[in-house]
Amino acid sequence: DADVTQTPRNRITKTGKRIMLECSQTKGHDRMYWYRQDPGLGLRLIYYSFDVKDINKGEISDGYSVSRQAQAKFSLSLESAIPNQTALYFCATSEVGNAGELFFGEGSRLTVL
Amino acid sequence: GQQVMQIPQYQHVQEGEDFTTYCNSSTTLSNIQWYKQRPGGHPVFLIQLVKSGEVKKQKRLTFQFGEAKKNSSLHITATQTTDVGTYFCAGPRGNQFYFGTGTSLTVIP
Repeated sequence: DADVTQTPRNRITKTGKRIMLECSQTKGHDRMYWYRQDPGLGLRLIYYSFDVKDINKGEISDGYSVSRQAQAKFSLSLESAIPNQTALYFCATSEVGNAGELFFGEGSRLTVL
Repeated sequence: GQQVMQIPQYQHVQEGEDFTTYCNSSTTLSNIQWYKQRPGGHPVFLIQLVKSGEVKKQKRLTFQFGEAKKNSSLHITATQTTDVGTYFCAGPRGNQFYFGTGTSLTVIP
């Protein structure tokens, strides 16, 4: 089983719908991240959390919210999805801050019509 | 703010040819990481460089960190079809890593 699990893996939805992407990890890491990948733009950080009580905005947080329900769980919500949020979303974990490697989930492909 | 630029965006090579991707930062980096993403897959950590002028090798892959710690490169010698994918560099800003735009490598058999 994967150490970092994302659900759903694929989702098609309509404009205006609320969507939640979930991430769970068995690595025991405190730090969790949500990234968005678009062709030609690389991976851009949406939100990150260093522990259950800590939530921080990344470079593209507008239109997104997150919840850190437990050390192992970090969910990303789109309150009212719009087409330009169509992308591949990755959850990642790390053991320490900027000196530790990131472990990525398999990704969640979201299409907003 | 800090930006991490990566070139080229795409590279097609014949199998057996060499490949290099370059990563440049507008500010000095404390360290830099490299990741590989296979088609349809997720990014996987390759290596981290910390010291000025550092060179590390992993089989046919050679990673270099510039003397000024503002640039880095990944060189693959004699590419194989298994090298296909997108290679990302990532540099720290504050408490997180920010990724370059990636170089997509296609290897023609």
